[in-house]
Amino acid sequence: DQQVKQNSPSLSVQEGRISILNCDYTNSMFDYFLWYKKYPAEGPTFLISISSIKDKNEDGRFTVFLNKSAKHLSLHIVPSQPGDSAVYFCAANPRGGYQKVTFGTGTKLQVIP
Amino acid sequence: DADVTQTPRNRITKTGKRIMLECSQTKGHDRMYWYRQDPGLGLQLIYYSFDVKDINKGEISDGYSVSRQAQAKFSLSLESAIPNQTALYFCATSSGESTDTQYFGPGTRLTVL
Repeated sequence: DQQVKQNSPSLSVQEGRISILNCDYTNSMFDYFLWYKKYPAEGPTFLISISSIKDKNEDGRFTVFLNKSAKHLSLHIVPSQPGDSAVYFCAANPRGGYQKVTFGTGTKLQVIP
Repeated sequence: DADVTQTPRNRITKTGKRIMLECSQTKGHDRMYWYRQDPGLGLQLIYYSFDVKDINKGEISDGYSVSRQAQAKFSLSLESAIPNQTALYFCATSSGESTDTQYFGPGTRLTVL
């Protein structure tokens, strides 16, 4: 059972435009959500996160939105740059701290110059 | 120096061989993880350890075993490698705090012929 889903395996966006990556989850016990970015031949790196008590968190060009009622989160990148081309994973942590994080399957973003 | 290191970075082996992948971390974290990445399948958890005496199976543990030799070291073994274990393997660590951000190693590309 895939508790964290990224339904778009790939996305292409023109440089300068907005990139929107989506993630859906099913487990209402998830308390904290994170986005990781992965370049080829490297391990994933943490990008941005959001607590379930918030609905928005912004860090420079990156903003994550959380809609708890819809169990949906999205990552907005504005403006998109060619260096943003990577695979993006969303991840969810449950309450309590004694259970493992769950990752989505990833979305490959290509920003076209 | 990298916080999470993996050895080897690349390995080619033959079916039936035993192989060990090693992971070391300098972040002082208690939690360590092993993931594999296959194209289109995202990150699949193989094993995880919340402290030296705690080992847990992940989603795809069959055919794998692990050893937590110390807080800083977590090794993954393939007892008898088979071709469908050809993948990219990542080690990660986390602190176990509420955000539980994971820090990944650079990955090991394993090919089983």
